[in-house]
Amino acid sequence: DGGITQSPKYLFRKEGQNVTLSCEQNLNHDAMYWYRQDPGQGLRLIYYSQIVNDFQKGDIAEGYSVSREKKESFPLTVTSAQKNPTAFYLCASTGEGHGELFFGEGSRLTVL
Amino acid sequence: ILNVEQSPQSLHVQEGDSTNFTCSFPSSNFYALHWYRWETAKSPEALFVMTLNGDEKKKGRISATLNTKEGYSYLYIKGSQPEDSATYLCAAVSGGYNKLIFGAGTRLAVHP
Repeated sequence: DGGITQSPKYLFRKEGQNVTLSCEQNLNHDAMYWYRQDPGQGLRLIYYSQIVNDFQKGDIAEGYSVSREKKESFPLTVTSAQKNPTAFYLCASTGEGHGELFFGEGSRLTVL
Repeated sequence: ILNVEQSPQSLHVQEGDSTNFTCSFPSSNFYALHWYRWETAKSPEALFVMTLNGDEKKKGRISATLNTKEGYSYLYIKGSQPEDSATYLCAAVSGGYNKLIFGAGTRLAVHP
């Protein structure tokens, strides 16, 4: 079945460590996105990519990095520079401009 | 940054009740409005994508309207069922690229 797979579902990290969240899609979509959710807030855009080897910062990119070496994959690294990394992270993709987003099931990161 | 507001924040209704939620967004530079349903432990799923002022869309017992001139959209659920319990997200797109700004969501609980 086509879809978006995020891993891991749960992740614990010690302060000062970098961690990478995986996002893979087999929908043949060009555009991919990373969102962060905090309690009581809407999803906030971290980074997005319209095409392979290209990506742009979203509204809260500080402390995060991404790569887009393959169409199917858009991993997100939460670096030690991210001051408050504990959150729920959602990856999404879309195949057409202004079309609906398809989401993964999310990754919950907890910094100990 | 575009600001999207949803109300109410949460809602409890009895099975069979009809209900509606509001999504407000700045009307300037509007491009599209998305509605998503997000059930617990699942991925958000698209309900509607609307672009034209006066748009009305329907999917089963759920329908939505759009007023781009005054900057709001309503989501209606007729005869709520327990399986409608979820968080309903709206997101507005402003400008030329599919960069969605999400509201904080309305959490609906339908009691048998």
